[in-house]
Amino acid sequence: GAVVSQHPSWVICKSGTSVKIECRSLDFQATTMFWYRQFPKQSLMLMATSNEGSKATYEQGVEKDKFLINHASLTLSTLTVTSAHPEDSSFYICSAWRDSNQPQHFGDGTRLSIL
Amino acid sequence: LAKTTQPISMDSYEGQEVNITCSHNNIATNDYITWYQQFPSQGPRFIIQGYKTKVTNEVASLFIPADRKSSTLSLPRVSLSDTAVYYCLVALKAAGNKLTFGGGTRVLVKP
Repeated sequence: GAVVSQHPSWVICKSGTSVKIECRSLDFQATTMFWYRQFPKQSLMLMATSNEGSKATYEQGVEKDKFLINHASLTLSTLTVTSAHPEDSSFYICSAWRDSNQPQHFGDGTRLSIL
Repeated sequence: LAKTTQPISMDSYEGQEVNITCSHNNIATNDYITWYQQFPSQGPRFIIQGYKTKVTNEVASLFIPADRKSSTLSLPRVSLSDTAVYYCLVALKAAGNKLTFGGGTRVLVKP
């Protein structure tokens, strides 16, 4: 079964709205989670590394004030797309790692459509 | 992070074996090779991971030559449901290490 859960699976909202996406690790603690964005027919692009209890680390070119990440507990990281615009429409995917002997596991993604 | 190169696409037929080769010439000593499968509108799903020689699990085999500059994912007797994008990644096995996705290989299994 799934070890990483994402919610919601899809969301449609108006331009200017802020949208929050949750990523939960199931039955294990994840001190580190990752957030990716994927455009149609393209590969995954890493946006940021979410660290429990500290600030997220953003990849070059990703606006930290636009994509707010909160990793308040060992099982939950949230990505908030602030004042979303149509160009923010994409597929957002998170991943988490169970322990050093396990590969990263990915959530099933969130399809975000901004009208 | 080591860069990987893999074919853009491959076609196959049901029941055949599919082999996807990935080049990673700059792989570091402590890097592991990991393969993921992704269906449309879903997150990537882990297939297999290895460091050297051969690794086999219930769904695939991974062949890694001695120089580790390439690896081959082998999918035995594919079915239509194996149509997906397959990604080869190299990274430190240690927790928290970032994964850099390349373009992946689109595998189309035909009836």
